[in-house]
Amino acid sequence: GNSVTQMEGPVTLSEEAFLTINCTYTATGYPSLFWYVQYPGEGLQLLLKATKADDKGSNKGFEATYRKETTSFHLEKGSVQVSDSAVYFCALSDGSTGGFKTIFGAGTRLFVKA
Amino acid sequence: EAGVAQSPRYKIIEKRQSVAFWCNPISGHATLYWYQQILGQGPKLLIQFQNNGVVDDSQLPKDRFSAERLKGVDSTLKIQPAKLEDSAVYLCASSLDLGPYGYTFGSGTRLTVV
Repeated sequence: GNSVTQMEGPVTLSEEAFLTINCTYTATGYPSLFWYVQYPGEGLQLLLKATKADDKGSNKGFEATYRKETTSFHLEKGSVQVSDSAVYFCALSDGSTGGFKTIFGAGTRLFVKA
Repeated sequence: EAGVAQSPRYKIIEKRQSVAFWCNPISGHATLYWYQQILGQGPKLLIQFQNNGVVDDSQLPKDRFSAERLKGVDSTLKIQPAKLEDSAVYLCASSLDLGPYGYTFGSGTRLTVV
């Protein structure tokens, strides 16, 4: 079945450091890929998405490229801020079985120090 | 536009009691989801509605959980009787329709079963 694997956290960085959070997936069809962010006490917010191979999603300085050959969708940001501290979830949505339900990874917690 | 509304925000009940959660999705969103998020894990889909019909409830523990979306707008998720392992955040999300649209999540209901 479909699954999403992301790097374990927590990830601790200093402000202005480069961020990479790894995400790989397994899917039977041709999924769309997403990154969501969850701030403390809040629900998840869609950060970015890519719907086909080689697409790059970007938002708020974050970006991720849909790599079909490596089944990956790694999240990157060139210079993190303290306000980026949150939990980041990689997810996939596959319509091949009908329903387009979304499967989430376990999440990666990011701490950014001033 | 107004977001996805959920209530209550917090609930503490004793095991074997019943509890209900309410969700009002974004206006015009045909698809509604209930997810269970246990502390430290990614959200797990419980049930997916398209308008007032169920698309996927394969992971809903039907002996104790029920959900409805009678008029294709707001939805209620019920647990009866609750178990200790039901302690989690229950997230409601909606999307425009079936497809790779990404979801809008509510803030969730944190349930503690004691």
